[in-house]
Amino acid sequence: AIQMTQSPSSLSASVGDRVTITCRASQGIRNDLGWYQQKPGKAPKLLIYAASNLQSGVPSRFSGSGSGTDFTLTISSLQPEDFATYYCLQDSNYPYTFGQGTKLEIK
Amino acid sequence: EVQLVESGGGLVQPGMSLRLACAASGFIFDEYAMHWVRQVPGKGLEWVSGISWNSASIGYADSVKGRFTISRDNAKNSLYLQMNSLRAEDTALYYCAKGTAIFQLLHGMDVWGQGTTVTVSS
Repeated sequence: AIQMTQSPSSLSASVGDRVTITCRASQGIRNDLGWYQQKPGKAPKLLIYAASNLQSGVPSRFSGSGSGTDFTLTISSLQPEDFATYYCLQDSNYPYTFGQGTKLEIK
Repeated sequence: EVQLVESGGGLVQPGMSLRLACAASGFIFDEYAMHWVRQVPGKGLEWVSGISWNSASIGYADSVKGRFTISRDNAKNSLYLQMNSLRAEDTALYYCAKGTAIFQLLHGMDVWGQGTTVTVSS
């Protein structure tokens, strides 16, 4: 199975900050990667699909990049509602695999 | 409104079986892949299984392969997960999720249910 290594596992930041979360795949996955946001007690929400495509309704401050093995989620200017846990998911091959998650906390 | 509603969770003893169901509405069910994803409280997400729109392509996590079986009934707009030989480590909240793209396995999951809880304990 493809392993997804996500970093950092946690991150403290302030409203207005620019933050970056990365995911590295154990083998090439083209651009078959998505990013999800999860808030406590809620189901995950798709933010980005195919590495860089913004899901409908997601604010443009979220962006994704990368291909092959290295991927990045960037939030250009943190808003209060962005404090949550973020996961990457590779859907290139079964079994799909998630990264371990990044908990984004308020500094 | 696109909606997914899971059911079938509960408390079960190790070694026993359970069948989860997911009722879909608000979209053309037989055009989308469907998935099960689970989450132990306080822990990360784990993809469990996925099935293509026509059941031709099916995948499982290594942790459940040989014990769980995913299926769908397009006539009933329903997704299922048959879970056999359950273990304590299968205890989790199980989400049903809809594939994003029509007739594709790619692009992840764009709609999620609220989950059903499975507890495996003696």
